[in-house]
Amino acid sequence: DQQVKQNSPSLSVQEGRISILNCDYTNSMFDYFLWYKKYPAEGPTFLISISSIKDKNEDGRFTVFLNKSAKHLSLHIVPSQPGDSAVYFCAAKGNNAGNMLTFGGGTRLMVKP
Amino acid sequence: DAMVIQNPRYQVTQFGKPVTLSCSQTLNHNVMYWYQQKSSQAPKLLFHYYDKDFNNEADTPDNFQSRRPNTSFCFLDIRSPGLGDAAMYLCATSRGQGTSTDTQYFGPGTRLTVL
Repeated sequence: DQQVKQNSPSLSVQEGRISILNCDYTNSMFDYFLWYKKYPAEGPTFLISISSIKDKNEDGRFTVFLNKSAKHLSLHIVPSQPGDSAVYFCAAKGNNAGNMLTFGGGTRLMVKP
Repeated sequence: DAMVIQNPRYQVTQFGKPVTLSCSQTLNHNVMYWYQQKSSQAPKLLFHYYDKDFNNEADTPDNFQSRRPNTSFCFLDIRSPGLGDAAMYLCATSRGQGTSTDTQYFGPGTRLTVL
């Protein structure tokens, strides 16, 4: 049973436009959500996170939105740059959910120049 | 810079020949994790150490073992690698604050090839 799902395996966006990556979860015990970015042959790099007490967290070009009632979060990248092309993993955890990271399957983002 | 280091970055071994992957950290984090990642699938947690306390995931094969001789180092031992063990192995660390906001930081990974 996949508790964290990224339903879009890939996304293609033009440089300068907005990239929106989506993630859904089923476990209501999750209370902390993270996005990781992964380049080929490298480990995931922590990008941005959000606690369940917030609905938005912004860091430069990256904004994460959390909709707890819908159990949905999204990562917005504005403006998108070719260097953003990578696989993005959504992950969730919670004290009452074992406190281990549960990852989504990833979305490959391609930003075209 | 404080970081998570994995050596080697690429490891080739023969079917059945034991192999050890290494992870070190300069973050002074309490918790160290080992993940297996195949293709572009989600990383799969194998086990983790909270200080010296070893925590194995229920579905981690016995073929995989780990050692943490001190805070800075953690090793993944694959006793008899099979073809299905070819993957990227990721080490991660976290402070271990006991809160859900405890973020994990990953090393660059070791890509294991089994011939």
